[in-house]
Amino acid sequence: DAGITQSPRHKVTETGTPVTLRCHQTENHRYMYWYRQDPGHGLRLIHYSYGVKDTDKGEVSDGYSVSRSKTEDFLLTLESATSSQTSVYFCAISEKTSYQETQYFGPGTRLLVL
Amino acid sequence: SQQGEEDPQALSIQEGENATMNCSYKTSINNLQWYRQNSGRGLVHLILIRSNEREKHSGRLRVTLDTSKKSSSLLITASRAADTASYFCATAPIQGAQKLVFGQGTRLTINP
Repeated sequence: DAGITQSPRHKVTETGTPVTLRCHQTENHRYMYWYRQDPGHGLRLIHYSYGVKDTDKGEVSDGYSVSRSKTEDFLLTLESATSSQTSVYFCAISEKTSYQETQYFGPGTRLLVL
Repeated sequence: SQQGEEDPQALSIQEGENATMNCSYKTSINNLQWYRQNSGRGLVHLILIRSNEREKHSGRLRVTLDTSKKSSSLLITASRAADTASYFCATAPIQGAQKLVFGQGTRLTINP
């Protein structure tokens, strides 16, 4: 699992409440990513980070914000959760070697928004 | 929208047979990667093929890439029950190669 942990692993929340998911890595990788996985859509990139305080949007960033104040932690925040944000969220890191951008994934967080 | 589209969406074969999955994409790429996901788990990287490569092998895996047709295939030879999983292709665009775009996946079931 490349030293990636996600917390919480499961969460149930109500519409309109803020939610923060945490991704923690232990190997000082520069790039970190947040994806969501939904049936029929595969994985879609929400946001990614290329260094401390350096982040960029992905394909489905609306309704999400991220922060990276330390190399090892990448936080994903749903400012006001909606039912459409019910999903499985995966964090990933990438090792960049020459032209290779292999990504390693965490175990995932299952989020249910009621 | 998803760049990679996999075919078939589901595949069921007998143990020992070969399994072939296909991936098509729309724009030029830096590389294409294949990942496996066991039920309820995170994705695991299998193999990466660069845009200037045509074929790559890793153990029982063989990947081909045809950039003229914008397609790739993953062949798993001598399948085992443990190969049962979902398989995803992911394309890395030329600009911003770290922003992988995943297909919807092929669900592979190996019957004993």
